[in-house]
Amino acid sequence: AQKVTQAQTEISVVEKEDVTLDCVYETRDTTYYLFWYKQPPSGELVFLIRRNSFDEQNEISGRYSWNFQKSTSSFNFTITASQVVDSAVYFCALSERSFSGGSEKLVFGKGTKLTVNP
Amino acid sequence: DTGVSQDPRHKITKRGQNVTFRCDPISEHNRLYWYRQTLGQGPEFLTYFQNEAQLEKSRLLSDRFSAERPKGSFSTLEIQRTEQGDSAMYLCASSLDSRGTSGFYEQYFGPGTRLTVT
Repeated sequence: AQKVTQAQTEISVVEKEDVTLDCVYETRDTTYYLFWYKQPPSGELVFLIRRNSFDEQNEISGRYSWNFQKSTSSFNFTITASQVVDSAVYFCALSERSFSGGSEKLVFGKGTKLTVNP
Repeated sequence: DTGVSQDPRHKITKRGQNVTFRCDPISEHNRLYWYRQTLGQGPEFLTYFQNEAQLEKSRLLSDRFSAERPKGSFSTLEIQRTEQGDSAMYLCASSLDSRGTSGFYEQYFGPGTRLTVT
């Protein structure tokens, strides 16, 4: 069965600190996708990144970077020089193709609440 | 605004009443998903439409829940005889169809409908 674990429930940092959010996943499939979403206080889930199981290259987008390691089934997210606006709940998610209906439903972790203090 | 929209944003109802939520996906997206998110948890998959066909339902979707997507455009989620345990955020997401491709497409989420059953 698919499972996503975000062991850090809450993290609090001071502005400009770097912070890493951990994500560990379980799947029996060889083809899958991993995602990170941000949920600010307004509630809307905002897509951040998609990574497929065959691409282990790390990715950097501005202050955001992602480290995907299949050997440890981890897909960690680092925010460099954090800002107050980064305060949100961050969700890691896993998707496999369901042959029963073709859906690519997302299985989410419980999320990590990040608070960046000024 | 060409994103996913949901209506209403908030709904307060008394136990036993029926409620209906609406989701308007991004116009070119033919896949539509419903998720439920309770406090402190990640979203959980409820059901999925490919155009107008409902192709997958989670065991979380009891007989009191019904979803439709007539004409493959907007979707409605109805909950009959609401219970206090139905109190949650109901999220709708849409995506492009990845069939025939080797990739998955990210899901774009609406702002959600927060249901409170008193």
